[in-house]
This record gives sequence, structure tokens and C-alpha cells, in this order.
Amino acid sequence: DAEITQSPRHKITETGRQVTLACHQTWNHNNMFWYRQDLGHGLRLIHYSYGVHDTNKGEVSDGYSVSRSNTEDLPLTLESAASSQTSVYFCASSESSVKEAFFGQGTRLTVV
Amino acid sequence: AQTVTQSQPEMSVQEAETVTLSCTYDTSENNYYLFWYKQPPSRQMILVIRQEAYKQQNATENRFSVNFQKAAKSFSLKISDSQLGDTAMYFCAFMIRNNAGNMLTFGGGTRLMVKP
Repeated sequence: DAEITQSPRHKITETGRQVTLACHQTWNHNNMFWYRQDLGHGLRLIHYSYGVHDTNKGEVSDGYSVSRSNTEDLPLTLESAASSQTSVYFCASSESSVKEAFFGQGTRLTVV
Repeated sequence: AQTVTQSQPEMSVQEAETVTLSCTYDTSENNYYLFWYKQPPSRQMILVIRQEAYKQQNATENRFSVNFQKAAKSFSLKISDSQLGDTAMYFCAFMIRNNAGNMLTFGGGTRLMVKP
């Protein structure tokens, strides 16, 4: 079955370190998204991509970057992790003609 | 820009009773979708119900139904015959309807507790 997977599920890192969160989908969807979930804020959009080599900034993109070298993967990189980036991160994918986004199971990131 | 507001951070309901979760949104767009997502303790985001703004008829999915008031920009979720498994965070979300992509804007969530 097609799916979207995130790794790792949990990670603890130190302030200032570079961290990359992986997202892989097997639906062949063009659209991929990264959200962060914080108490009281729901999910907020970090970056998104509408296809290979396309990336766009979302609402809370500062301190994050993404790259899209193929259809299946959209890794999220924290260049220099900060305590304010402690959060749960969700990856999602969708096809433009489909009215639904499919979510990964989330990565809980703690920056100490 | 679109905003989505859920004014009830927490709610509780007795098993088998009915509960309504509120959601309001703000947009200047005319074509869009609205969603309710459920997030149980497993953290998985599960689509509960979807409403297309151009449809006047309220969407229903088994025990879940919505009251969509386009003029008032209101989109509430009614859960009938509440079950213990309905205990979860519920997020209201908005998506502009176009062919370029479909990013979601979420409300802050409502934590629902179903009590036995």
C-alpha cells in the first residue's frame, strides 16, 4: 500500500547542531508539505513543494530549509537547531486533483 | 491570508451524547474546502469530514456532520452518539481550491474528552 513515512519518530539534539528530518511518500504525489505542531497553534506550514526542484516558504520558515531532488522525498533541515524549534513535525503529501492531504506519523524533536 | 479559529480549547461529553465543536474562518476567497481532522493520542492525523464551499448541503459521515454557514464563515462539527474512541484533538482546516496546490491552514485545535 502507498504510504508516507517520517524518520526518526523521536529525536533529541543539542542547540546549534544541524538536524535533518526525513519524509518519504510512495503515492507519487507532486505536492509535499512540512508543518510544525505546537500547543495552541495547531499545525503551521514551514515549507512546501509542488514538484521536483520546487520549494516555497511557508508561514514559519525561518531557520528551516528543504530540498526536492525527486518526487518521493522532502527532507527538512534545521541549519542550527534552537530551543524554539522543539516541536512535533508533520510531513504531508497530496495530489492537486485530490481534495485530501495524507500525513505522516510525525517526528517529535527536542532541542536541549 | 486565511485564518482559522477554534474558540474551545477543551470540551468534554458523556458517552452516547452529542457534542458540537466550533470553527470560524476568515478569507476573501470564494472557492475553498473545509476539513475536520482528528488526532488521537497516536498522533496520526485522520480526516474526519470534508466540505466543499460551493455545496450548500452539509456534509455527513456516519456519526459526524457539519453545520456550514458560508455567509457567517462558520464550520462546526457535530458528533452524535459519542464513543470513547472519539477522544482526541480535533482540528478545523481550510484549503483554497485551485490547481496549483492545496496547502492547509489549521485552527488551534479542540481537545475532546469522551467520558464513560
